[in-house]
Amino acid sequence: QSALTQPPSASGSPGQSVTISCTGTSSDVGGYNYVSWYQQHPGKVPKVMIFEVSKRPSGVPDRFSGSKSGNTASLTVSGLQAEDEADYYCISYAGINNWVFGGGTKLTVL
Amino acid sequence: QLQLQESGPGLVKPSETLSLTCTVSGGSISSNNYYWGWIRQPPGKGLEWIGDIHYSGNSYYKPSLKSRVTISVDTSKNQFSLKLRSVTATDTAVYFCTRRRSGAAPDHWGQGTLVTVSS
Repeated sequence: QSALTQPPSASGSPGQSVTISCTGTSSDVGGYNYVSWYQQHPGKVPKVMIFEVSKRPSGVPDRFSGSKSGNTASLTVSGLQAEDEADYYCISYAGINNWVFGGGTKLTVL
Repeated sequence: QLQLQESGPGLVKPSETLSLTCTVSGGSISSNNYYWGWIRQPPGKGLEWIGDIHYSGNSYYKPSLKSRVTISVDTSKNQFSLKLRSVTATDTAVYFCTRRRSGAAPDHWGQGTLVTVSS
């Protein structure tokens, strides 16, 4: 059970869109539609932004969207705002009641 | 509103056992639809799923930690606990207790508690 692969960093200017990838295997990301994305600001508790690949909890702006193709899930943040600057983590179900995180991506708003 | 609160020693000696408790308020731990678990984050690093438990007692652990971890539940106190044995400095982390619905990733988190492993 290896960690999912995320780029260490991503960046974009205000108003632009940025996409963060999360690559796993057919045993986790590719095998189930149970991928979630968390946003974590420094010193804060992670917050769910996307669950079940593409669903948004109430209160999360529709600027955040999720998708999946094969063994790779993606989080897209459109219309970047300063407050979107944070660390983002993906997590996927990995079978037999196991879950695996990605290594995290630091999103910088330029 | 559901709240989770971690408690336990902030300092543990190497080779000893790390013990944390999570107290659940604003909801019952004895709900069939939820799993109660632990996630940790070493300082400056990423998140790591440790494991979780259903109130019935069924527990599940990250394979690489399974030999050292036990998660238990006390429904009478609306609490669940984590024990991590034979700790080393690499177990130093902020430990979060969490709740997740069946088939979903954690959606409720405690504030987290820093546990440092040092002599």
